[in-house]
Amino acid sequence: DQQVKQNSPSLSVQEGRISILNCDYTNSMFDYFLWYKKYPAEGPTFLISISSIKDKNEDGRFTVFLNKSAKHLSLHIVPSQPGDSAVYFCASNAGKSTFGDGTTLTVKP
Amino acid sequence: NAGVTQTPKFQVLKTGQSMTLQCAQDMNHNSMYWYRQDPGMGLRLIYYSASEGTTDKGEVPNGYNVSRLNKREFSLRLESAAPSQTSVYFCASSKTTGYSNQPQHFGDGTRLSIL
Repeated sequence: DQQVKQNSPSLSVQEGRISILNCDYTNSMFDYFLWYKKYPAEGPTFLISISSIKDKNEDGRFTVFLNKSAKHLSLHIVPSQPGDSAVYFCASNAGKSTFGDGTTLTVKP
Repeated sequence: NAGVTQTPKFQVLKTGQSMTLQCAQDMNHNSMYWYRQDPGMGLRLIYYSASEGTTDKGEVPNGYNVSRLNKREFSLRLESAAPSQTSVYFCASSKTTGYSNQPQHFGDGTRLSIL
């Protein structure tokens, strides 16, 4: 039973527009959520996190929103740039990390 | 800054052969992890080590063994490789495990093919 789910395998947006990547989870005990970004032939790198006591965390062009009642989080990238094209994983930290399957974002020039 | 270093980067094995994947981190992190990533899937935890001297099974431990050699190094061994173990293997480290916002730092992976 997958505890962290990213239901959209891929997303394509135009440069300058908003990218919204979604993630659902099942375990209410999850305390922290993290987003990682992965380029081909490289390991994932940490992007942004959010505590379960918050509903929003912002870092430059990246904002993560958490809706605890819906057990849903989303990553917003505004404005999107071609260099943002990568695979994005959401993960929970509860004992040890649990990762979603990833969403491949393509930002078209 | 090296961060997390994995060796080798690529390896081809025959079914039944054994090999050890090496991982070292220079960030003085307590916790280390081994994941595998198959096409179209996320990262699945094989084993982890919360601190030096301890190891625990993750989601997919069968067919693997690990050794936390010291605080810096965490190796993954395939005793008798099977084609189902063809994957990309990532090592990661973090300050701690547990319920925290501590991110994991990943190596660039080992691409392993088993024929």
